[in-house]
Amino acid sequence: DAGVIQSPRHEVTEMGQEVTLRCKPISGHNSLFWYRQTMMRGLELLIYFNNNVPIDDSGMPEDRFSAKMPNASFSTLKIQPSEPRDSAVYFCASNLSGGGTDTQYFGPGTRLTVL
Amino acid sequence: GQNIDQPTEMTATEGAIVQINCTYQTSGFNGLFWYQQHAGEAPTFLSYNVLDGLEEKGRFSSFLSRSKGYSYLLLKELQMKDSASYLCAVRDNAGNMLTFGGGTRLMVKP
Repeated sequence: DAGVIQSPRHEVTEMGQEVTLRCKPISGHNSLFWYRQTMMRGLELLIYFNNNVPIDDSGMPEDRFSAKMPNASFSTLKIQPSEPRDSAVYFCASNLSGGGTDTQYFGPGTRLTVL
Repeated sequence: GQNIDQPTEMTATEGAIVQINCTYQTSGFNGLFWYQQHAGEAPTFLSYNVLDGLEEKGRFSSFLSRSKGYSYLLLKELQMKDSASYLCAVRDNAGNMLTFGGGTRLMVKP
């Protein structure tokens, strides 16, 4: 079975440009999570969707960040305008929530570099 | 909120046993996860504890004490491929959000 799919795997852009990261969760999963990982701050939850609805976006750093989930098989994380401090690895994860372990499965990540 | 502490780095010898500790102070608790993350890769699920006690899975075991806010991951018969970061994560009462510790970078030496 395909795992979580993210694209692009690497993105290099210049400060001020718009960046869009994409994620396809595991088929059948009903929750999707966007994380950011840096050496300084570790792995941080940015936003969490359940059944395509944003449930908690308290981790979104500021208004430059936005996320959408138009359907059960696709989500985007957009940064506009991007800044050098946004450089990080962005992971998307998904799970089937509703009891039990509800293990989150991570995609391969997008390594973003903002120059 | 959640506060999760792990040692930053550990070193161990191939074939040995290593214990990675995790302590947490949380406003809610609904399970503790351990993930392994090799450099440049995604975290992958290792183990889950929600009740006190030891969960064993091959060379890896994880222990939880909810009253002490404490967990450990035990790795036996260490192999070079076990060199990775190990992330402790706590799930909140709402049941679906994880807060991760900073991770413990384990280096296995010959």
